[in-house]
Amino acid sequence: EVQLVESGGGLVKPGGSLRLSCAASGFTFSNAWMSWVRQAPGKGLEWVGRIKSKTDGGTTDYAAPVKGRFTISRDDSKNTLYLQMNSLKTEDTAVYYCTTSTAHIVVVPAARGPTTSYYYYMDVWGKGTTVTVSS
Amino acid sequence: DIQMTQSPSSLSASVGDRVTITCRASQSISSYLNWYQQKPGKAPKLLIYAASSLQSGVPSRFSGSGSGTDFTLTISSLQPEDFATYYCQQSYSTPRTFGQGTRLEIK
Repeated sequence: EVQLVESGGGLVKPGGSLRLSCAASGFTFSNAWMSWVRQAPGKGLEWVGRIKSKTDGGTTDYAAPVKGRFTISRDDSKNTLYLQMNSLKTEDTAVYYCTTSTAHIVVVPAARGPTTSYYYYMDVWGKGTTVTVSS
Repeated sequence: DIQMTQSPSSLSASVGDRVTITCRASQSISSYLNWYQQKPGKAPKLLIYAASSLQSGVPSRFSGSGSGTDFTLTISSLQPEDFATYYCQQSYSTPRTFGQGTRLEIK
């Protein structure tokens, strides 16, 4: 069974740090692009960031509100994704979800050669872990 | 960043109704559009990817259409388990962005 299980959430004071973990099972984690998405209480979904597989460069992208404060990393030997959160603010209070970023690949023949499009979507989600930033 | 705007923000409907939710992107995103369903206290669930492809295991009463800037999610005949909040999300560029959500309530 494909599964993602987040852990590490809790109560932290503003300016503090926290590291979230996401344990993956049931699929080849090392090949997967992974993302973090958060949801503040009573609010909508907000993409936090993504890490590519090491095969695809292992690079990361972040949303503007967390860039420079949050770091996404992965340990493929442990099938685990991490989110290091520093300089936490009260507005970081949210449920944090770990998700897979899967690509639907479409190849279209063309006169000058085929074109390949990658349609990414988040298909497997963990149950989330709650982070509360409060004094 | 690409802004995603859903309408309506909330909707009341009855079991058996046909329902349409609209999502508009602030610039063209081709077909790089996904739809998710979220029930209270639960993680989101992928319904539709690439604007119109139905995720495996999702009932065929759900369908998606559109390209460019305007997209729709249609539920052909509402079932009791469909009352939830629905989000669109673009995967054309980073940062990925979501619509604000459409809450579908029982009339």
